[in-house]
Amino acid sequence: AQSVTQLDSQVPVFEEAPVELRCNYSSSVSVYLFWYVQYPNQGLQLLLKYLSGSTLVKGINGFEAEFNKSQTSFHLRKPSVHISDTAEYFCAVSPYNQGGKLIFGQGTELSVKP
Amino acid sequence: NAGVTQTPKFQVLKTGQSMTLQCAQDMNHEYMSWYRQDPGMGLRLIHYSVGAGITDQGEVPNGYNVSRSTTEDFPLRLLSAAPSQTSVYFCASRKGPAEAFFGQGTRLTVV
Repeated sequence: AQSVTQLDSQVPVFEEAPVELRCNYSSSVSVYLFWYVQYPNQGLQLLLKYLSGSTLVKGINGFEAEFNKSQTSFHLRKPSVHISDTAEYFCAVSPYNQGGKLIFGQGTELSVKP
Repeated sequence: NAGVTQTPKFQVLKTGQSMTLQCAQDMNHEYMSWYRQDPGMGLRLIHYSVGAGITDQGEVPNGYNVSRSTTEDFPLRLLSAAPSQTSVYFCASRKGPAEAFFGQGTRLTVV
C-alpha cells in the first residue's frame, strides 16, 4: 500500500518570499510522483510530475520539485510567490505496478499575503 | 474535447436514498477514478478502473459501487446514502502515468 504525508496543513507567506511545501511518501514499490493545485471551487490541475530521469523537475507557474529517493520526499518550491499562488496544493503518488491508482496527501493550504 | 464531465454538479439526498453520479471522458483514457474530498483529508480514492470491465477498490470503497462497461463512462453508485457520505466527489481520467484530468466535482449533501 502507499501513503502520502504533507507535513504542513497551512503555510502563510508574504508576497515575493520563497516557499517550500513538504511531501513525504511511503511505498513498497517504485512510484511516479505528482503535485497538483486546486484553486477555490475548482477541480485539480497538474503543476509538475516526476516519472524518471533528473530528480529536479520544473513545472508551471515557476514551481519546481526535487525527488529524493533515500528520504522518500518530493518537496515543492518556488523562489518568489505571488498573491495568485494562493490555493491548495496536493502531492500524489502512483505505483509503477498499479498504474491506475493515484493516491493523494491531505493537502497544504498556501496563503500568500501582500 | 469536453475532457471529463461530471453530473450533477449539486445534489441533496435523504438518508437511505440511492443515486448515481455520472462521469464521462472523451479522451480515450484507460484509467478512471473516483475520489471524495473532505476538509483536512485531501482526496481519498474510492474506486478506480484500468479499463472496460476492470475495477478495483481504493482507500474508502464502503458504501459505493462502480462498473465500467465502456471506456468513456465510469458511474459511481450510492445504494443507501448516509450523512457520512456528504462530500465533494471528483472523477478523474488518465492515460498511463501521465497527468490525471479532473471533472469539476459534484457537491453531495445527505440529510
